[in-house]
Amino acid sequence: DIQMTQSPSSLSASVGDRVTITCRASQGISNYLAWFQQKPGKAPKSLIYAASSLQSGVPSKFSGSGSGTDFTLTISSLQPEDFATYYCQQYNSYPPTFGGGTKVEIK
Amino acid sequence: QVQLQESGPGLVKPSQTLSLTCTVSGGSISSGSYYWSWIRQPAGKGLEWIGRIYTSGSTNYNPSLKSRVTISVDTSKNQFSLKLSSVTAADTAVYYCARASVYYDILTGYGAGLDYWGQGTLVTVSS
Repeated sequence: DIQMTQSPSSLSASVGDRVTITCRASQGISNYLAWFQQKPGKAPKSLIYAASSLQSGVPSKFSGSGSGTDFTLTISSLQPEDFATYYCQQYNSYPPTFGGGTKVEIK
Repeated sequence: QVQLQESGPGLVKPSQTLSLTCTVSGGSISSGSYYWSWIRQPAGKGLEWIGRIYTSGSTNYNPSLKSRVTISVDTSKNQFSLKLSSVTAADTAVYYCARASVYYDILTGYGAGLDYWGQGTLVTVSS
């Protein structure tokens, strides 16, 4: 299975900060990468697919980049509703696998 | 707006079969290019992909669960289902159903990204 490693595993940030989360694949996955946001007790919400394409209705403060093995999710200006855990997922090969998550907390 | 809703027993005894259903509303399960998927999450842990079924009925399963998993679709009810046999405590988790939409990228070809999720249902395996 392809291993997805996210860093950091957690971070503290303030409202208005620019936040970047990194996801690294154990082998090349082209751009078959998605990002999800999950709040406590809730289902994940899809943010990005194909590494950089925003899902419908997702605000443009979220952006994704990368290809091959290294990917990033950036939140341009952190808002209170953005405090959550973020997961990456590769779907280049079976089985699709998720990163361990990055918890974004309030500083 | 597509909506997905999981249903099924919240408690299953060890060695028995876990059965869940996902009801899709806001669109036909048999139209379009979609994969209907199951994903689970043990309490306090990460996400694990279980498997999926395509609109045509073809399936893909996680090799780690393949011998125990069956995913099927009932187009007349606009539902798809998950069966996981011989369960143990390790199968205790929140189970999500989700949809993956097929897209075409001019550089990389076809892909299928998860877009809509159900709210999830907790299944506990215990005697």
